[in-house]
Amino acid sequence: DTEVTQTPKHLVMGMTNKKSLKCEQHMGHRAMYWYKQKAKKPPELMFVYSYEKLSINESVPSRFSPECPNSSLLNLHLHALQPEDSALYLCASSQDFRFGTGTYEQYFGPGTRLTVT
Amino acid sequence: AQTVTQSQPEMSVQEAETVTLSCTYDTSESNYYLFWYKQPPSRQMILVIRQEAYKQQNATENRFSVNFQKAAKSFSLKISDSQLGDTAMYFCAFMNLGALGDMRFGAGTRLTVKP
Repeated sequence: DTEVTQTPKHLVMGMTNKKSLKCEQHMGHRAMYWYKQKAKKPPELMFVYSYEKLSINESVPSRFSPECPNSSLLNLHLHALQPEDSALYLCASSQDFRFGTGTYEQYFGPGTRLTVT
Repeated sequence: AQTVTQSQPEMSVQEAETVTLSCTYDTSESNYYLFWYKQPPSRQMILVIRQEAYKQQNATENRFSVNFQKAAKSFSLKISDSQLGDTAMYFCAFMNLGALGDMRFGAGTRLTVKP
């Protein structure tokens, strides 16, 4: 099963709302990622988790708060977002890269299309 | 910092023809991975092909093959016998072995396959 699932598919939220994006994978991967993708642009890395620990944070504003409750789940908590945060949010997973084994390609979910009003 | 450049914002090809998408990258590292990802309209991003920098042999996956020129820092994707389902945005991506997990994408090439 090479599938990464994301919920919800679409989300509209006001600037004062609190919402969460969810991502799940059952491939036994121990590295999980959040990306932000604006229209007609490449994905931009936001966060990387390795063995449920945050290993990369690309200076993302604190209104985005990631959480990795276990090896299969990744959440992105959203609070006080701005209209410019509207984008497609992609989750991905890969084999763990800490020990020099594996092929490291990332498997992507379908994304959550977020609109901030 | 690593940069990835895709100089062709848009391309088109007739069905059954062959097309080549270009990608160049800039790095001072010697060990890295290169990838081509495909993102069809409103659909999921999927891996097309992968190349390890230490391998001299060019990777192939069915109709997809790469021309990896390490000295020139070039990594082009050739699609043979193009099909309508190949219509998508194609992203070239770089990942340094010393910074595994930190994958950087090019700006993308929008490919349209015409019937």
